Amino acid sequence: DTGVSQDPRHKITKRGQNVTFRCDPISEHNRLYWYRQTLGQGPEFLTYFQNEAQLEKSRLLSDRFSAERPKGSFSTLEIQRTEQGDSAMYLCASSSRGTGADTQYFGPGTRLTVL
Amino acid sequence: DAKTTQPNSMESNEEEPVHLPCNHSTISGTDYIHWYRQLPSQGPEYVIHGLTSNVNNRMASLAIAEDRKSSTLILHRATLRDAAVYYCIRMNFNKFYFGSGTKLNVKP
Repeated sequence: DTGVSQDPRHKITKRGQNVTFRCDPISEHNRLYWYRQTLGQGPEFLTYFQNEAQLEKSRLLSDRFSAERPKGSFSTLEIQRTEQGDSAMYLCASSSRGTGADTQYFGPGTRLTVL
Repeated sequence: DAKTTQPNSMESNEEEPVHLPCNHSTISGTDYIHWYRQLPSQGPEYVIHGLTSNVNNRMASLAIAEDRKSSTLILHRATLRDAAVYYCIRMNFNKFYFGSGTKLNVKP
């Protein structure tokens, strides 16, 4: 058990609907990361937070995607007007320092299926 | 390209050593090399990381080439529980760049 939890674990939705995922990092970690993983591929970076500040967003994060970490603790990732291409595993990770030597601890992921 | 390059799959016999290679020819001087593994329906799990020197921990060893353009993860005695997808990762400015991973199959 890494200590990072994600909810829900699975989400099935219809194209055009909005979905929101939640991530609860390890409590003392100030860095939080979101990744997307499609079948057979490695995870791809989406965005990360240091405390409540969103410091970087990938080009993969279109304007339909928004992430928040309002109090520097849990984070939410919302996808508006979902498309079939959004079907993927969404992974959250946290770390304590954010240096190159720092270990990121991953949650179990939320698997999204868009019909 | 910032991503790493790994063989799609490898096979090993139980109790034998396994050497998993990775190419990261575009690595910059401050990038760390991390290795994680992932079981089906789980998030990636940390294995080991390094910068320039070879590294050992209870799970594995990491051998980094002198020019840092490649590295090798060494599992000294593979067990059935080591069967997973192993990812070689460049860490650049707090971001992980994953390759597509090597699926390791361990035969009893």
